Order: sequence, then C-alpha cells, then structure tokens
Amino acid sequence: EAGVAQSPRYKIIEKRQSVAFWCNPISGHATLYWYQQILGQGPKLLIQFQNNGVVDDSQLPKDRFSAERLKGVDSTLKIQPAKLEDSAVYLCASSLALAGATRNHEQFFGPGTRLTVL
Amino acid sequence: RKEVEQDPGPFNVPEGATVAFNCTYSNSASQSFFWYRQDCRKEPKLLMSVYSSGNEDGRFTAQLNRASQYISLLIRDSKLSDSATYLCVVNMKTSYDKVIFGPGTSLSVIP
Repeated sequence: EAGVAQSPRYKIIEKRQSVAFWCNPISGHATLYWYQQILGQGPKLLIQFQNNGVVDDSQLPKDRFSAERLKGVDSTLKIQPAKLEDSAVYLCASSLALAGATRNHEQFFGPGTRLTVL
Repeated sequence: RKEVEQDPGPFNVPEGATVAFNCTYSNSASQSFFWYRQDCRKEPKLLMSVYSSGNEDGRFTAQLNRASQYISLLIRDSKLSDSATYLCVVNMKTSYDKVIFGPGTSLSVIP
C-alpha cells in the first residue's frame, strides 16, 4: 500500500517569499492533518480536515498560512509571506478515523518538507 | 498547563537497561492514547496504541492510569536501535476527534 506522499522534500526561500507544499494521503483516509515541527519539539497541529471540510484550524496563523483539500483527497499548504520563524519541518498525516469513531485513529505520516527561511 | 506533558529528557541508558517514560494529560475526556516513535530526521511512526488498561508488545509495555491521567511506556532490555524520540499522543473527544502530540522524550541507548 502506498504511503503518504509529500513534495517537495526540501525548500529554501528568503523571508517574505511564498511557498506551497503538497500532500497526497493514503487512499481512503478521511482525515488529513498538517503539522509544523520545529527542531527539538513535538509536532504542532496546524490544520485538520475531515474529507474536504476543516475541523480544526485553531493554531493556523491565518494571516499568512492557508490550506485546502479540494475533493477530499490531496491537500496544499501555503505560506505567504514567509518569516524566519517558519523554518521547520512540515508534516502531513492521514488516518481512517471519522468523527465518533473509537478506533482507526492511527496516523500515517509522510516524509515531511524541510523548509528553511533565510 | 499544557494539554499533554512528557518527561523532559534526554534519557541516556546503557544497552540492556530498563527505561520508563511518563506522560500526563489535562483533559479527563481524553479517550485514546498512543506512543509514537520518531527517529532523527524521520517522520513519527506508531509504536503502540493504548486503549484500555494497558498494552504489551515484546519488550514494550504501555500502561494507562485514567484516575491520575497519565500513561507510561516501559522499554525492557534496551537495544541501540531503540534510540529515538518517543512521542505521547492523546485523542480527545470534542465535537471532532482532537489529537494532541506531547513534546517528546529523547532516548539514547549507549553501548
């Protein structure tokens, strides 16, 4: 079974530039997550989709970050404009879980995109 | 208080040692609990799920104490390959399934 795909794997940009990340979850997984992981810290949830609807974007800096999941499959995360503190690994994950389910919460992660903002 | 907290680490232990990590959570409505493992510069991967009073898988044992709101991970007979960061993950039942990762505890197993 194919895993979660992400691209690009690495990106270096200058501050105030824009950048976009792409994620293709495991086929059939209803829930998709974007995380930001700064070196030495645990993943921080940015946004959670169930199918093509947003269920949690409370920690997404909406003045500069945006995300969409058209057709409930793949997703893009955009940063515009980037700041130095956005340097991190951006992880995409997916799970089978639907709201109300008590099982199938295991998240499968993609390899991440390592962003460096200069 | 953070929603999920873990031992700050790092833990440096010799091969063959037994090591235990603790994790506490603040929301009593939390329903599902997991331990993920993250190798250096890699993505997190599920190590164990903890659904009831505990779970054992070979050298790894996870235990849940709902009354005290903590879970633990015990690793027996540590191997060099166990060196990684261990992330505690809590699933809370709100209007949707909210998943929160702890900050992680780093383990280095030394020859």
